Amino acid sequence: EPEVTQTPSHQVTQMGQEVILRCVPISNHLYFYWYRQILGQKVEFLVSFYNNEISEKSEIFDDQFSVERPDGSNFTLKIRSTKLEDSAMYFCASSDPNDSQYFGPGTRLTVT
Amino acid sequence: GENVEQHPSTLSVQEGDSAVIKCTYSDSASNYFPWYKQELGKRPQLIIDIRSNVGEKKDQRIAVTLNKTAKHFSLHITETQPEDSAVYFCAAGDNYGQNFVFGPGTRLSVLP
Repeated sequence: EPEVTQTPSHQVTQMGQEVILRCVPISNHLYFYWYRQILGQKVEFLVSFYNNEISEKSEIFDDQFSVERPDGSNFTLKIRSTKLEDSAMYFCASSDPNDSQYFGPGTRLTVT
Repeated sequence: GENVEQHPSTLSVQEGDSAVIKCTYSDSASNYFPWYKQELGKRPQLIIDIRSNVGEKKDQRIAVTLNKTAKHFSLHITETQPEDSAVYFCAAGDNYGQNFVFGPGTRLSVLP
């Protein structure tokens, strides 16, 4: 069964550094999402992406964040200048219209 | 925007008993309601979902009910097993690439 994959599984970075989190959505899906989950808390929506543009974003998704689909398979989340409070698990998800969202295994980001 | 509440926050049941988790939502435009199971350190996994044109859906030991008038939906797990122990999240939104809002989660413990 096809799955969403994410790399790396764990990323440690220093405050102020840029990080890029990578996702490979399920190949025939058209909608892509990023979510964040701070340890022990609920899953929070960051952004959705369709047809090569952002279709929706939350208030968390400020100017420090950007997303890109650089080629036909990858979907990336970039954080330009990381802050301590960006430490969280970041999940990518993908879906088709009229279908459910399937989550990747997540990237644990630790900002020191 | 959408606001999703979930109760209870923790639930302990004896193996073989039923478990019920309830969610309410605020945006009457929401039309898609998935439930995710998240085991410790793992990705949220879709276990069942329901759309607003359906009042009830069942898949083996899991069922979901939806009351659009009252804006609440519930997850029912029958004949619980220890492997059902996890955090369960409800969510509400429009499945067409829009913002999903998750509930705060319910930690279910099934005691042998």
